[in-house]
Amino acid sequence: NAGVTQTPKFQVLKTGQSMTLQCAQDMNHNSMYWYRQDPGMGLRLIYYSASEGTTDKGEVPNGYNVSRLNKREFSLRLESAAPSQTSVYFCASSEEQGEWSPLHFGNGTRLTVT
Amino acid sequence: AQSVAQPEDQVNVAEGNPLTVKCTYSVSGNPYLFWYVQYPNRGLQFLLKYITGDNLVKGSYGFEAEFNKSQTSFHLKKPSALVSDSALYFCAVRDRRTGRRALTFGSGTRLQVQP
Repeated sequence: NAGVTQTPKFQVLKTGQSMTLQCAQDMNHNSMYWYRQDPGMGLRLIYYSASEGTTDKGEVPNGYNVSRLNKREFSLRLESAAPSQTSVYFCASSEEQGEWSPLHFGNGTRLTVT
Repeated sequence: AQSVAQPEDQVNVAEGNPLTVKCTYSVSGNPYLFWYVQYPNRGLQFLLKYITGDNLVKGSYGFEAEFNKSQTSFHLKKPSALVSDSALYFCAVRDRRTGRRALTFGSGTRLQVQP
């Protein structure tokens, strides 16, 4: 019963490098999300995908791109990493039906940009 | 716009005592409200939600929350705290009127339960 799986768990990048954070869910959920968590700021939404083939910007999309590869997978790409992107990144998913559907989170990717 | 405030960075309580973690929200319409808990090095886990109806909502692990529309609050409560309840707690809101799918989270409150 995997739920939401994120890879990698940890990553260190140099400024300017690129990388893709992977996320997959096995709950047949339609909606998927990327959040970042910073101390004292809670979780802030980067991008979300209400269904396969659609993506929308959240509160803090600058410096990121996303791809909803299929219903299961939603990846987050940093094209040119900056120290301000040092954070813990969480992927989440939810059922489409009902805006009250709770989110199911992965265990996060801890990213450090030097 | 939708927003959430958790006024306390940390709440300390002795084991066996009741606990309250505070949350206030702001939305233009009516809210869907949620509480999540985060243990170290883990993602957030859903605790409970308010959709409509009874203002007192019961959730996982003995937690409950009280919705107060006039005070725009949704405080998390538990009658008797356990050491294992020590974690980071997040309140979240979604505005029904805008239909915006994504949740807005508060900054989190760290709960420390002393033995």
